[in-house]
Amino acid sequence: NAGVMQNPRHLVRRRGQEARLRCSPMKGHSHVYWYRQLPEEGLKFMVYLQKENIIDESGMPKERFSAEFPKEGPSILRIQQVVRGDSAAYFCASSWTGNMNTEAFFGQGTRLTVV
Amino acid sequence: KNEVEQSPQNLTAQEGEFITINCSYSVGISALHWLQQHPGGGIVSLFMLSSGKKKHGRLIATINIQEKHSSLHITASHPRDSAVYICAVRSNTGNQFYFGTGTSLTVIP
Repeated sequence: NAGVMQNPRHLVRRRGQEARLRCSPMKGHSHVYWYRQLPEEGLKFMVYLQKENIIDESGMPKERFSAEFPKEGPSILRIQQVVRGDSAAYFCASSWTGNMNTEAFFGQGTRLTVV
Repeated sequence: KNEVEQSPQNLTAQEGEFITINCSYSVGISALHWLQQHPGGGIVSLFMLSSGKKKHGRLIATINIQEKHSSLHITASHPRDSAVYICAVRSNTGNQFYFGTGTSLTVIP
């Protein structure tokens, strides 16, 4: 049973390009969370999704960022027109339910560098 | 002020020493997680606690809900324990996790 899989592990984009980060949750998990870790800072919540639904996107910037978790396939975090300040590590976690006492499992992260 | 505060920020220990990392939080929580992050690497969940104490090998985690405080202990520390240890709490009023800024541990042989 593979863990949470994120790809790519490293992504380099020029300013103005689009970045697509993928997260495949653990088998049987239907809840996905995305976090961002800026250099020298702690992790910050971005968005919580359940299959086909965004449950909480209160931590996601209003512009240029979007997330989806389709019925089939991985969850996608999409950043349009990237800027240098988007350079960070993006982690996703998945859980079996949205119950607050359910353990969440983390992926290895995608390190985005904007040049 | 952050919802989750960790101390110390940095810690250097000799191999074999007993290590304690502390975490205090200010929000109501449903669970607290201790996470481990190696340089350039991903995040591994070590413990999830909602009360009491848990032990995995040389790692022990405790939580005091009344005092809003948790500790992570490492017995007989080893250089391979060198990593950043992150305390994270899950709010009991929503879906958010709040994270501490981490404790960077270096264990010297």
